[in-house]
Amino acid sequence: QKEVEQDPGPLSVPEGAIVSLNCTYSNSAFQYFMWYRQYSRKGPELLMYTYSSGNKEDGRFTAQVDKSSKYISLFIRDSQPSDSATYLCAMSASNTGKLIFGQGTTLQVKP
Amino acid sequence: SQTIHQWPATLVQPVGSPLSLECTVEGTSNPNLYWYRQAAGRGLQLLFYSVGIGQISSEVPQNLSASRPQDRQFILSSKKLLLSDSGFYLCAWRPPYGGTEAFFGQGTRLTVV
Repeated sequence: QKEVEQDPGPLSVPEGAIVSLNCTYSNSAFQYFMWYRQYSRKGPELLMYTYSSGNKEDGRFTAQVDKSSKYISLFIRDSQPSDSATYLCAMSASNTGKLIFGQGTTLQVKP
Repeated sequence: SQTIHQWPATLVQPVGSPLSLECTVEGTSNPNLYWYRQAAGRGLQLLFYSVGIGQISSEVPQNLSASRPQDRQFILSSKKLLLSDSGFYLCAWRPPYGGTEAFFGQGTRLTVV
């Protein structure tokens, strides 16, 4: 079993839709959770970072962490065609050492 | 501000040839450094990480090696490339204290022919 599982999609939604992206994990020691966005042939860029459980909001993006269920989510409100990209979750147990990524979910937002 | 440089952006190498990819970070000290590989349409596979000079942790046994000769320099190498080494290689750094988000270089697309 992989440490981090993420549905690769692809996920296709109409412009303006609410998008929900999810990851599950098996290592209960994970405390730091991140979401990255990656455009084709580019390095990933950080979208959201959360520590432990709870919610964090930044503009149209909301990250949720449920440690009891070992489940994290990223919500995108009012999705735009420019949001079309691959979204990767990442997590680690500490601020040093291994940083493990999910497989990435490819999102397409249609105008 | 901190910046990360990774080069070259694109590389085509024959099977059996050596490889050296370099990554440097500016504007910080004692960063945690990472090498990842991404196959087409796939997630990031952690290859190596380093928490200090000369300290390398290997995650996947394979045809590659890594070295950290200086605090902000991370090198990925191979003595003899295989076809299966083709992929998108990404270097990343994390601050040693405080924020734990990782910042990536723009990647090297390696094609072994």
